[in-house]
Amino acid sequence: GAGVSQSPSNKVTEKGKDVELRCDPISGHTALYWYRQSLGQGLEFLIYFQGNSAPDKSGLPSDRFSAERTGGSVSTLTIQRTQQEDSAVYLCASSPTGANTEAFFGQGTRLTVV
Amino acid sequence: GQNIDQPTEMTATEGAIVQINCTYQTSGFNGLFWYQQHAGEAPTFLSYNVLDGLEEKGRFSSFLSRSKGYSYLLLKELQMKDSASYLCAVRSNAGNNRKLIWGLGTSLAVNP
Repeated sequence: GAGVSQSPSNKVTEKGKDVELRCDPISGHTALYWYRQSLGQGLEFLIYFQGNSAPDKSGLPSDRFSAERTGGSVSTLTIQRTQQEDSAVYLCASSPTGANTEAFFGQGTRLTVV
Repeated sequence: GQNIDQPTEMTATEGAIVQINCTYQTSGFNGLFWYQQHAGEAPTFLSYNVLDGLEEKGRFSSFLSRSKGYSYLLLKELQMKDSASYLCAVRSNAGNNRKLIWGLGTSLAVNP
């Protein structure tokens, strides 16, 4: 595709349920980021994938959060046993290899835990 | 630790000039980015600096001083549509982990 694609665009789930958020990066982009953004707040880093290197998981807020990237392309962010405080917009971004390359963002998934 | 600081909010008048500052402390430096984010939308790329000096792109310019760990985004001839959050991000260079470190953003309100 032409840009970073995220699905679903909106997700409402009940507290305690598991959710999976998907990110299709731009083809050929080796770096992929997941961020969380609460209303009116800045970007909160969650996890970073770069090529075949071990992912940087230092931003994951708890062990209920996990992410994987299969075949160096599509990534899935999984939140288990969702809590109300997980409600936020989850943004995915990808970038090519190279220091001077910007990250391109998807439109995000708005997660609401009720 | 790694840290990026920006003012939380700024207000300016249509037609005026505004400067948004960003200071950073990161593990290595591999470039600084400015992004614009309108409410409810994803961030979009504005500018990139890796060498000291000013980069001009239309009404927007970005400046970098690596020795001072400082950048600013300059917006000229402000328009109402420039009301948005402006995010500063630095690409660190810790080993092979060239991760983007983000500031919390500066919310700019342009008034008529």
